[in-house]
Amino acid sequence: DTGVSQDPRHKITKRGQNVTFRCDPISEHNRLYWYRQTLGQGPEFLTYFQNEAQLEKSRLLSDRFSAERPKGSFSTLEIQRTEQGDSAMYLCASSFGQAWKFYGYTFGSGTRLTVV
Amino acid sequence: AQRVTQPEKLLSVFKGAPVELKCNYSYSGSPELFWYVQYSRQRLQLLLRHISRESIKGFTADLNKGETSFHLKKPFAQEEDSAMYYCALSLQGGSEKLVFGKGTKLTVNP
Repeated sequence: DTGVSQDPRHKITKRGQNVTFRCDPISEHNRLYWYRQTLGQGPEFLTYFQNEAQLEKSRLLSDRFSAERPKGSFSTLEIQRTEQGDSAMYLCASSFGQAWKFYGYTFGSGTRLTVV
Repeated sequence: AQRVTQPEKLLSVFKGAPVELKCNYSYSGSPELFWYVQYSRQRLQLLLRHISRESIKGFTADLNKGETSFHLKKPFAQEEDSAMYYCALSLQGGSEKLVFGKGTKLTVNP
């Protein structure tokens, strides 16, 4: 297990196109989180899953955004009809239960999205 | 609304000098606070959390509820401390959300 993996590392897309990102958490971690980080800002919470259930969503997650974790393992984040304001680093993190309060999240390297 | 403020975007010190990275928060509940660090070309990782009152890599942070602050301190900075530091707040009530500050880039010069 090499930690949290995110794919792709970089994505350049034209405005209006749909994009999908994938996150593979640490295998025994049942919680998975998505954060977005724009230039000069800290990470902003988007959503989180416990197993396959999406338990919390930020108001930042507009109708164009959808996240899934169908089998409680990997997760996908899809952005439809991308806008330039969606350009950001999308970070995935995982944790086992509430262990993140003691050991922190395990973050992936992120997917950098550029919308042109 | 919950908010974490890190007033310094950039902080530069010389090796061996004391360093303090400021963090103030706005939250009506009982906060849990964390410092995360991102070294060059590495992933974001937890540095320390207030509930454990520990020292990690020589860094300490004390939660001051009166001043709503959680400043990160180290008495003698090292070059390897150069990194991006983020203060983060965890909310009560079962929320799994972490609210991050904008971060402070620390540079320790030789």
